[in-house]
Amino acid sequence: EDKVVQSPLSLVVHEGDTVTLNCSYEVTNFRSLLWYKQEKKAPTFLFMLTSSGIEKKSGRLSSILDKKELFSILNITATQTGDSAIYLCAVGRGSRLTFGEGTQLTVNP
Amino acid sequence: DTGVSQNPRHKITKRGQNVTFRCDPISEHNRLYWYRQTLGQGPEFLTYFQNEAQLEKSRLLSDRFSAERPKGSFSTLEIQRTEQGDSAMYLCASSYEQGFTEAFFGQGTRLTVV
Repeated sequence: EDKVVQSPLSLVVHEGDTVTLNCSYEVTNFRSLLWYKQEKKAPTFLFMLTSSGIEKKSGRLSSILDKKELFSILNITATQTGDSAIYLCAVGRGSRLTFGEGTQLTVNP
Repeated sequence: DTGVSQNPRHKITKRGQNVTFRCDPISEHNRLYWYRQTLGQGPEFLTYFQNEAQLEKSRLLSDRFSAERPKGSFSTLEIQRTEQGDSAMYLCASSYEQGFTEAFFGQGTRLTVV
């Protein structure tokens, strides 16, 4: 059965800190890994990664995939209170996404 | 058309009643997905359509659940004889058909069964 494990499950930091969120997976017929941010409602798309070693970057957020070791990290630099959310990692296989439990990030002023 | 639209946003129902939710995907997307999310968990896949064809169903989708996408546009998810364990956020997402691309989610329908 497909498995996606995120760590830590929750994290509290101060504004300006840098955080690293982890996602490891066991999926047959892997196609892609996606990161989503979920505030109160719908998950919003952040990144999709399909190749190892290629960093995706958007502002203060960046992510990289290691297909050999089966994990991905999401980095957020200079965190702001608006970064407080649940960050979900999902792995795509065929038509479906398998999600991890998410990391609850709280950024305090 | 700015995104995936779901209705209603909230539904409270008594145990044993039937409920139906609607999802309108992004218009040019021909793949549509239903997920369920309970508190503290990531979304769990329920089913997926390509155009009007329902191509995959999770074992989570019991006989009380049925989904349709009759004309390949909007979709409905019906739960019959609701149980308290059905209380969850029901999320709809859509994506393009070509390869595997990011799925965009709607705001969800929060179901509470009392």
